[in-house]
Amino acid sequence: QVQLVESGGGLVKPGGSLRLSCAASGFTFSDYYMNWIRQAPGKGLEWVSYISSSGSTICYADSVKGRFTISRDNAKNSLYLQMNSLRAEDTAVYFCARGAMAYSKSTFDYWGQGTLVTVSS
Amino acid sequence: QSVLTQPPSASGTPGQRVTISCSGSSSNIGRNTVNWYQQLPGTAPKLLIYTNNQRPSGVPDRFSGSKSGTSASLAISGLQSEDEADYYCAAWDDSLNGGNVVFGGGTKLTVL
Repeated sequence: QVQLVESGGGLVKPGGSLRLSCAASGFTFSDYYMNWIRQAPGKGLEWVSYISSSGSTICYADSVKGRFTISRDNAKNSLYLQMNSLRAEDTAVYFCARGAMAYSKSTFDYWGQGTLVTVSS
Repeated sequence: QSVLTQPPSASGTPGQRVTISCSGSSSNIGRNTVNWYQQLPGTAPKLLIYTNNQRPSGVPDRFSGSKSGTSASLAISGLQSEDEADYYCAAWDDSLNGGNVVFGGGTKLTVL
C-alpha cells in the first residue's frame, strides 16, 4: 500500500534552516510528481511546491520562492524540502503528497501524516 | 485570504443533504478541474472528489461534486456523524507566474 512518511520537522529560530524528508513506499516513486503542502495551526491548506517525476520541472508558491528548494532522489524513493531564511509565518504542519497528474496538478491522491515545523525565537 | 472562496461553516442533521460551495475565477475554476479534500479531525487530508465529479475508489456515492463556470459544489447526501470534518476545494490557477495550486479556505461541517 502507498505510504508517505515525513520527517525532519522541529523548532527553529527565525532566519534558520531546516530540511524535511518524505520517504515513499508502495508505488513506483519515479513515475509520480510529488508535492509539499502545509497547514498553519488552525488554518487551511496552502500548496508549497511540486517537482516532476524526473525532477526537471519544479514550481513554487510565491510565499516560499527563493527560500525553499524542493528535490528528490528517485534511487532512495525520497522527497526533500530545504527551507532557508525561515519566518514565523512558515510555522505549519508540512505534508508531502503524491500528485495524480493524469487528472490535474491539483489532484493529490495520497498524503503523508505531516511533520510540524515551528519557527520561533 | 484564499483565492477560492468557501463558506467557513456548514451544518446539517443526520440524513440531511448539505452542499458546500467553492467560488473562483476564470484563471482557476473557470479553466481547470476542481478537486475536493476531506480532513477529519487530527488527520491528513484525503482526496474526496477529483476532476470535478469523480470519486476515488472507496468514497461513498453519498458524496458528489459539480462545477459550473467559475464555481463548484460538493454535495453530501444522507449525512452521517462521521462526515463531520473540514472540506477543501482546490484547483490549478494559471494566472500566477507560471501557475499555482490554490485552495479554498475550508468549510467546517458540523453534524448536529
